[in-house]
Amino acid sequence: DSGVTQTPKHLITATGQRVTLRCSPRSGDLSVYWYQQSLDQGLQFLIQYYNGEERAKGNILERFSAQQFPDLHSELNLSSLELGDSALYFCASSASGANTGELFFGEGSRLTVL
Amino acid sequence: GQSLEQPSEVTAVEGAIVQINCTYQTSGFYGLSWYQQHDGGAPTFLSYNALDGLEETGRFSSFLSRSDSYGYLLLQELQMKDSASYFCAVGSASKIIFGSGTRLSIRP
Repeated sequence: DSGVTQTPKHLITATGQRVTLRCSPRSGDLSVYWYQQSLDQGLQFLIQYYNGEERAKGNILERFSAQQFPDLHSELNLSSLELGDSALYFCASSASGANTGELFFGEGSRLTVL
Repeated sequence: GQSLEQPSEVTAVEGAIVQINCTYQTSGFYGLSWYQQHDGGAPTFLSYNALDGLEETGRFSSFLSRSDSYGYLLLQELQMKDSASYFCAVGSASKIIFGSGTRLSIRP
């Protein structure tokens, strides 16, 4: 158990819909990262937050947005969903935002868009 | 931009040694990490190299050459449970990005 909690574990929805994925980092970790993993693909970096502020952005679509709240949990919002958005979405946390050392990953949220 | 290259697949025999290479391009390099991911599971951290040289953790070792922008993960005494995907990841001033992963298949 990494200490990172993601909900929901599985989500099935239709094209055009909007979903919210939630992540609670390890206790004390200030930094949250979001990654997208499509079938048999690598981990694509979406966005990073540190202590409530956006720290870095990757290949995140304009239809996607995220935020980190004062209690440090984070939410990833995906809207106007398309079939190609079906993927495993991972959240990871680390103690600092320095991009060094270990990331602790949650079990992921598997999104299926029909 | 930033990029990482690693082989897509490697096959080895149980009990043998296998090396998974990773080359990277990035600016503001901080360090190279390795992660293991079993099918359907979450990536789990294996090792981190910030300085040149070899880091050993049990059966796994990781090497980094900053001048060559190159690193590798060495797995010794392979066990069937080591069958998984292995990702290298580069941390830089801007972000942490992952390679596409190497699927390691182990034959008895």
